[in-house]
Amino acid sequence: NAGVTQTPKFRVLKTGQSMTLLCAQDMNHEYMYWYRQDPGMGLRLIHYSVGEGTTAKGEVPDGYNVSRLKKQNFLLGLESAAPSQTSVYFCASTGTSGRAWVNEQFFGPGTRLTVL
Amino acid sequence: GEDVEQSLFLSVREGDSSVINCTYTDSSSTYLYWYKQEPGAGLQLLTYIFSNMDMKQDQRLTVLLNKKDKHLSLRIADTQTGDSAIYFCAEADSWGKLQFGAGTQVVVTP
Repeated sequence: NAGVTQTPKFRVLKTGQSMTLLCAQDMNHEYMYWYRQDPGMGLRLIHYSVGEGTTAKGEVPDGYNVSRLKKQNFLLGLESAAPSQTSVYFCASTGTSGRAWVNEQFFGPGTRLTVL
Repeated sequence: GEDVEQSLFLSVREGDSSVINCTYTDSSSTYLYWYKQEPGAGLQLLTYIFSNMDMKQDQRLTVLLNKKDKHLSLRIADTQTGDSAIYFCAEADSWGKLQFGAGTQVVVTP
């Protein structure tokens, strides 16, 4: 099992450009999450998904869109990148047991994004 | 502002015990977690505690939970240089969404 993988690992964008970050998991997890990490701060939730075809906003959703067309993939899009979106982006997934999710979130290795 | 608070820095001598403290605000949190992050790496789950527990021990790690004060601590026994990292406290809601503290940088000196 590869666990949670993220593509790309690094990216530099110019202001106004768009891009999509891909998160993939091979653990058949229902729940997936996108976080961003800024210096001196903990991770903050951008968007999350509790199943294929469903998405919801987290704490800092502005400027981002997401899609969960397949259970194993969760895409994070930046339509018009801004310097404030310079950050490290982490994807995570967790399984569910019945109606309750189980206790461990598995994190990907992160994508380091710089917007000039 | 963040609902989970941690001290930002801890220096400890190799072989001593480290204690990292965290306070949280959501009394409905189901699980509370400690994650470790080394430079340039992702997050590694160290341990977790269910909200109806007071203590959990896992090898060198001891987690204490005081629900009344909404206080969580992580004790690392016999701290090693490999324990130098940033440690994040996090609380989970019923959807599994994590609210993180800002992280405590632990520096282990020989």
